[in-house]
Amino acid sequence: KQEVTQIPAALSVPEGENLVLNCSFTDSAIYNLQWFRQDPGKGLTSLLLIQSSQREQTSGRLNASLDKSSGRSTLYIAASQPGDSATYLCAVGRTTDSWGKLQFGAGTQVVVTP
Amino acid sequence: SAVISQKPSRDICQRGTSLTIQCQVDSQVTMMFWYRQQPGQSLTLIATANQGSEATYESGFVIDKFPISRPNLTFSTLTVSNMSPEDSSIYLCSVGDGEGSPLHFGNGTRLTVT
Repeated sequence: KQEVTQIPAALSVPEGENLVLNCSFTDSAIYNLQWFRQDPGKGLTSLLLIQSSQREQTSGRLNASLDKSSGRSTLYIAASQPGDSATYLCAVGRTTDSWGKLQFGAGTQVVVTP
Repeated sequence: SAVISQKPSRDICQRGTSLTIQCQVDSQVTMMFWYRQQPGQSLTLIATANQGSEATYESGFVIDKFPISRPNLTFSTLTVSNMSPEDSSIYLCSVGDGEGSPLHFGNGTRLTVT
């Protein structure tokens, strides 16, 4: 059974510092991996989607890497801002025919202090 | 990306009653899913809402407790039946267009059962 772990559970950094969020998974036979952001009382916002054949994806200040063989993904957020404060979730997609059936980690709660 | 509207956004219900949650998308989507986020925990997939046929439920979830409808490609409902305090959670609708596309989420329905 796939297990998805996110460490640390919480992180506080001063504004301007780079954020590094880790996600690990036990079964390397994944279809894709997606990073989400969740604000308090809100749903999830999709940040980046990495297909199993890709090594990384970038969008603005965000960069996500994927190393399937070691079962790890890392989300980098450059030059953090107070507006980046949120819970960040990674989720692993299982196989092609079960696309959308994501296995989520517990999340990393990030606070960026001014 | 698709705009997803969920109703109600929150509700407080009495034990033994049922609540129906609606999910409306502003464009036709291939896949619709229902997830649950229990307090302090990450998301768990309840079922895949199949257009024109019975939903496909994940292990631990049954149709009698969580009946789902999907009459067309833009709308789905999830009913939480015979509620108990353990059903207090955030219920989220998610949609996507299949392989290679990201999964998007609505803002969720925060349910409290007293």
